[in-house]
Amino acid sequence: EVQLLESGGGLVQPGGSLRLSCAASGFTFSNSAMTWVRQAPGKGLEWVSGISGNGGSIYAADSVKGRFTISRDNSKNTVYLQMNNLRAEDTAVYYCAKVGPFLTILGVVGSFDHWGQGSLVSVSS
Amino acid sequence: QTVLTQPPSASGTPGQRVTISCSGSGSNIGSHPIYWYQHVPGTSPKLLIYNNDLRPSGVPDRFSGSKSGTSGSLAISGLQSDDEADYYCAAWDDSLEAYVFGGGTTFTV
Repeated sequence: EVQLLESGGGLVQPGGSLRLSCAASGFTFSNSAMTWVRQAPGKGLEWVSGISGNGGSIYAADSVKGRFTISRDNSKNTVYLQMNNLRAEDTAVYYCAKVGPFLTILGVVGSFDHWGQGSLVSVSS
Repeated sequence: QTVLTQPPSASGTPGQRVTISCSGSGSNIGSHPIYWYQHVPGTSPKLLIYNNDLRPSGVPDRFSGSKSGTSGSLAISGLQSDDEADYYCAAWDDSLEAYVFGGGTTFTV
């Protein structure tokens, strides 16, 4: 059974940093691209960033480029999202998701076939 | 302003068939597969349709997807009360080099 468990969320001041982790199990992690998606309060889903199975390809939304960095450690079956220079508008529930094997785009995104439970990040002074 | 346009809300009655539309452009739906997700608030999103019209295992065949040109649609037949959820379309956008979601459609039964 595929399981994705996020951790690392919490309350942080504007300009601060936080690192989210997503521990994966139940599938061959190194063969799967992974992604982060967020949902701000009262808003819709927003894609944040994606990484290929070997970590060689990374894409990110313009809203987080230069501030957020996705990475992975295939020896630990874990994907990370390092978030720097956080802003109030980054307040959201952050989900990690596994990318399905069919017709991936640039090896980074496609169908998000399994999702974690979400981790709340609140940016406020 | 979202790149993929969905109606903000839709509704139906039990047993009815309804469709939710998703309009994009040549740089996203016109060039790449469309995906549909179901999100019940307070839970994790769920993949409903991938590669335009394919269902993952476990998704009832009451849900179906289609794509034509730069638009797609999700159809739900035999409506049930637990179909109440937010529905999102998504696709890769070549111009933005980003995966984009529609604004979401809140569906009530």
